[in-house]
Amino acid sequence: DIQMTQSPSTLSASVGDRVTITCRASQSISSWLAWYQQKPGKAPKLLIYKASSLESGVPSRFSGSGSGTEFTLTISSLQPDDFATYYCQQYNSYPVTFGQGTKVEIK
Amino acid sequence: QVQLQESGPGLVKPSQTLSLTCTVSGGSISSGGYYWSWIRQHPGKGLEWIGYIYYSGSTYYNPSLKSRVTISVDTSKNQFSLKLSSVTAADTAVYYCARVVAAMGWFDPWGQGTLVTVSS
Repeated sequence: DIQMTQSPSTLSASVGDRVTITCRASQSISSWLAWYQQKPGKAPKLLIYKASSLESGVPSRFSGSGSGTEFTLTISSLQPDDFATYYCQQYNSYPVTFGQGTKVEIK
Repeated sequence: QVQLQESGPGLVKPSQTLSLTCTVSGGSISSGGYYWSWIRQHPGKGLEWIGYIYYSGSTYYNPSLKSRVTISVDTSKNQFSLKLSSVTAADTAVYYCARVVAAMGWFDPWGQGTLVTVSS
């Protein structure tokens, strides 16, 4: 299985901060990576697919980059609605796997 | 737009079979181009993919669960279902259904999720 490792596990930030979350794959996954946002008690919501394609309706302050084994999710200016847990997911090979999550907390 | 809704018992006894159904509205499972998936999340933990099904009945399962999992589809009801046999407390989780773009892709949209507790 491809292991997905996110860092940091928890991130404390303030409204307006630029936030970067890293996701590393245990082997190359090309650009077959998605990012999700999950709020407590809710299902994950797709933000980014194919590493850098923004899902329709997702604010442009979210962006994704990377290929191969290293990927980043960036929030350019953190908003109150962005405090949540973020997951990466690889879909290069079976079984699809997720990162362990990064919780973005209010500083 | 397409919406998914999970349904089924919230409590299952150890060694029994967990059974859940996902009802799809706003689109047809048979329209093709998408797979239909189950994913679970243990309390306070990360996400684990369980398996996919295509409307034709083709399935892909996570090897870690394959011996206990069956996913089926009922196109007449626009539903797909999950059965997980011989459950233990370790199967206590929130179970989500979701649509998948192609046989290997991202999950969107998701159902709201349903908590299944395994306990006697």
